[in-house]
Amino acid sequence: DAGVIQSPRHEVTEMGQEVTLRCKLISGHNSLFWYRQTMMRGLELLIYFNNNVPIDDSGMPEDRFSAKMPNASFSTLKIQPSEPRDSAVYFCASSPGQGRGGNTEAFFGQGTRLTVV
Amino acid sequence: AQSVSQHNHHVILSEAASLELGCNYSYGGTVNLFWYVQYPGQHLQLLLKYFSGDPLVKGIKGFEAEFIKSKFSFNLRKPSVQWSDTAEYFCAVNGDNAGNMLTFGGGTRLMVKP
Repeated sequence: DAGVIQSPRHEVTEMGQEVTLRCKLISGHNSLFWYRQTMMRGLELLIYFNNNVPIDDSGMPEDRFSAKMPNASFSTLKIQPSEPRDSAVYFCASSPGQGRGGNTEAFFGQGTRLTVV
Repeated sequence: AQSVSQHNHHVILSEAASLELGCNYSYGGTVNLFWYVQYPGQHLQLLLKYFSGDPLVKGIKGFEAEFIKSKFSFNLRKPSVQWSDTAEYFCAVNGDNAGNMLTFGGGTRLMVKP
């Protein structure tokens, strides 16, 4: 398996534009996490899906951010409109999600470095 | 709710020095525990994990961690660090009633001087 695949790897956009980040899970994994990493705030969990259902979105900064899982293997994170303070590295991670003593290890993608100017 | 605390934010060591990074978690039930490493400009990669059994866990690249349940701790150790260990290290916890959600600590930046 190629691992968790994120696209694009780098994105530079102007303030006010819509940005869509994409993530392909590892085949067979059923949990999906979106994280944001900045120097100031470290690694922050934005949203967590289990079996395509959002379980915890308390980390989503505001209504400008939305995330979807249209199917079991793919997710998008959308920012509309984007602002300079959204500049960060966004990581997607997936987990086999067996929970309760099973394998809950998260596998991370390479990340998308977003710059909003 | 589960939480993780890493007390050392920045650590600077010389090569061959011994390393211990602290990790304490807050959760009342059974836990899975993890240490991840992030090399400069790269994504997080798993160093080691504890699910059950022997509380002393050995990982890749000579790292190990010990789960001490009474102290709610999972400290990371390496007897002799190398310059290539320069990275950021993250401790994470998954509690048995938290579904599959991992909660990460704030990370510890390690710099190893050659």
